[in-house]
Amino acid sequence: QKEVEQNSGPLSVPEGAIASLNCTYSDRVSQSFFWYRQYSGKSPELIMSIYSNGDKEDGRFTAQLNKASQYVSLLIRDSQPSDSATYLCAVNPILTGGGNKLTFGTGTQLKVEL
Amino acid sequence: GAVVSQHPSWVICKSGTSVKIECRSLDFQATTMFWYRQFPKQSLMLMATSNEGSKATYEQGVEKDKFLINHASLTLSTLTVTSAHPEDSSFYICSAMTGVGNTIYFGEGSWLTVV
Repeated sequence: QKEVEQNSGPLSVPEGAIASLNCTYSDRVSQSFFWYRQYSGKSPELIMSIYSNGDKEDGRFTAQLNKASQYVSLLIRDSQPSDSATYLCAVNPILTGGGNKLTFGTGTQLKVEL
Repeated sequence: GAVVSQHPSWVICKSGTSVKIECRSLDFQATTMFWYRQFPKQSLMLMATSNEGSKATYEQGVEKDKFLINHASLTLSTLTVTSAHPEDSSFYICSAMTGVGNTIYFGEGSWLTVV
């Protein structure tokens, strides 16, 4: 079992719809969770971080975390063609202390169609 | 968010030569930096973890004598690809970790082409 799993996609949604991206992780002690967006040929860009169970909203983005079920998701409302990218889920096992590397999923490719 | 600068953005070098890539955290101190490699349409592959003032920790399968990492200060880490070969051509990305929630920010990446 991979440590962080994502469906590779592509996930196609029409413009204006809600895109739902999911991620599951295997390490129960994971405490920090991140979503990155990566455009083709560019480096990843941090979209959201979440540390507590529940929802966290930032503009059109909502991250959802359920530690009991070991999944984290990202919702993108009012999807735009510019949201088309690969979305990487990343997990860090320890909340504080530094020095711990992120474990990345392989990413989900999102395509927002006109 | 925090800013991580990577230089150069792209470089072309001859086979057998060495190339140095710099990674700087511009507005925070990063005790830990990471170096990744990404081939086209593939996921990020962690190469090594770089801790300020100590030797880098390399991932399995990454040659430490070929990919030299130096983290001399809290804001600068360098990756030197020694005796580069065409198969080393790739997108190299650094990242730096802040102390707040261990958030990691990425540099812009460096495209290396070895001819």
